[in-house]
Amino acid sequence: KQEVTQIPAALSVPEGENLVLNCSFTDSAIYNLQWFRQDPGKGLTSLLLIQSSQREQTSGRLNASLDKSSGRSTLYIAASQPGDSATYLCAANNQGGKLIFGQGTELSVKP
Amino acid sequence: DAGVIQSPRHEVTEMGQEVTLRCKPISGHNSLFWYRQTMMRGLELLIYFNNNVPIDDSGMPEDRFSAKMPNASFSTLKIQPSEPRDSAVYFCASSGQDRFSYEQYFGPGTRLTVT
Repeated sequence: KQEVTQIPAALSVPEGENLVLNCSFTDSAIYNLQWFRQDPGKGLTSLLLIQSSQREQTSGRLNASLDKSSGRSTLYIAASQPGDSATYLCAANNQGGKLIFGQGTELSVKP
Repeated sequence: DAGVIQSPRHEVTEMGQEVTLRCKPISGHNSLFWYRQTMMRGLELLIYFNNNVPIDDSGMPEDRFSAKMPNASFSTLKIQPSEPRDSAVYFCASSGQDRFSYEQYFGPGTRLTVT
């Protein structure tokens, strides 16, 4: 049974800092891994999806990496801004769409 | 594209009442997912459909919950009778099989409160 863990649960950084969010999963037979952003009281916005055959994906200031053998993924945010404050969730896909979510990392970027 | 559409956005009901949540997936997507989010349990998959057929309903908590997808553009999640512990945010998501295989797009959610 797939289990997804995100560390830390909460993170506070000053504006401009580069930061890394961590995601680990127990079953390496994943189809892909997806990172989401959730603002308070809102739905989930897809940030990046990494296929199992890929090592990383980039979108603007965001870079997500995937290491299936170690069961880890990281989300790197460069030059953080107050607008990046949100909860970030990772989700592993083992079976054609069935996502298993971590509990999320709540990020606060202070001006 | 309007994205995934859910209604209602908020629902307050009394224990024992029937609740119906609605979802319209992104046009052309062939998979639809219902999730529930609570503080205690996070995001949990309840059920998902592929080409309107339920594939996995192992996450449905009990017989009080049922879901249907009568056509490619509409799905419902029904709770009958509702209980206070059903209070949560319910999300619908859809995905299509393209080169961004299985990337899921979420609706804004329905916040359900059962008193």
